[in-house]
Amino acid sequence: NAGVTQTPKFQVLKTGQSMTLQCAQDMNHNSMYWYRQDPGMGLRLIYYSASEGTTDKGEVPNGYNVSRLNKREFSLRLESAAPSQTSVYFCASMLGLAGETQYFGPGTRLLVL
Amino acid sequence: EDQVTQSPEALRLQEGESSSLNCSYTVSGLRGLFWYRQDPGKGPEFLFTLYSAGEEKEKERLKATLTKKESFLHITAPKPEDSATYLCAGGPGGSYIPTFGRGTSLIVHP
Repeated sequence: NAGVTQTPKFQVLKTGQSMTLQCAQDMNHNSMYWYRQDPGMGLRLIYYSASEGTTDKGEVPNGYNVSRLNKREFSLRLESAAPSQTSVYFCASMLGLAGETQYFGPGTRLLVL
Repeated sequence: EDQVTQSPEALRLQEGESSSLNCSYTVSGLRGLFWYRQDPGKGPEFLFTLYSAGEEKEKERLKATLTKKESFLHITAPKPEDSATYLCAGGPGGSYIPTFGRGTSLIVHP
């Protein structure tokens, strides 16, 4: 099992460009998450999907959109990148409710110039 | 509002010098208290889940304990390879969203 995979691993964008971060899990988990991690700020939830067909905003959703493509895949889109979106992005998945363990991907490091 | 606070923010130890990391939580209907290890440039890696006060779990030099208000991660005779950031998270009852602390950065000097 690969667990949670993310692509790309690293990306440089210019302000105003768009891109999509991809995430897939092979653990048959129902819930999937996108976090960003910045120095001194910890993990902040951007969006999550409790189950296939549903998505909800987290703590910092502005400037992002998500798509739960199927049970395995959950993508994060930046429509018009801004320097403030420079961060490390982590995808995570969990079987169900928050009493279960979350499993994280290796991260995508994004630099917006 | 659910809250998880970790202390200290950073900890430097000499190899073999035992210590503890603290995680204080206020999480409604806590269903599970989680500890993760995060190495630089990598995603958090699951270590332990604790479900009820009094529970303890061990893995090599690490032991996690849980009370009704706090969790501790005890590190016995640490080695340089234990250097990492340790994250604590609480899973609220009936919610899909765990609450994470900001982590403790541990450096173990040889």
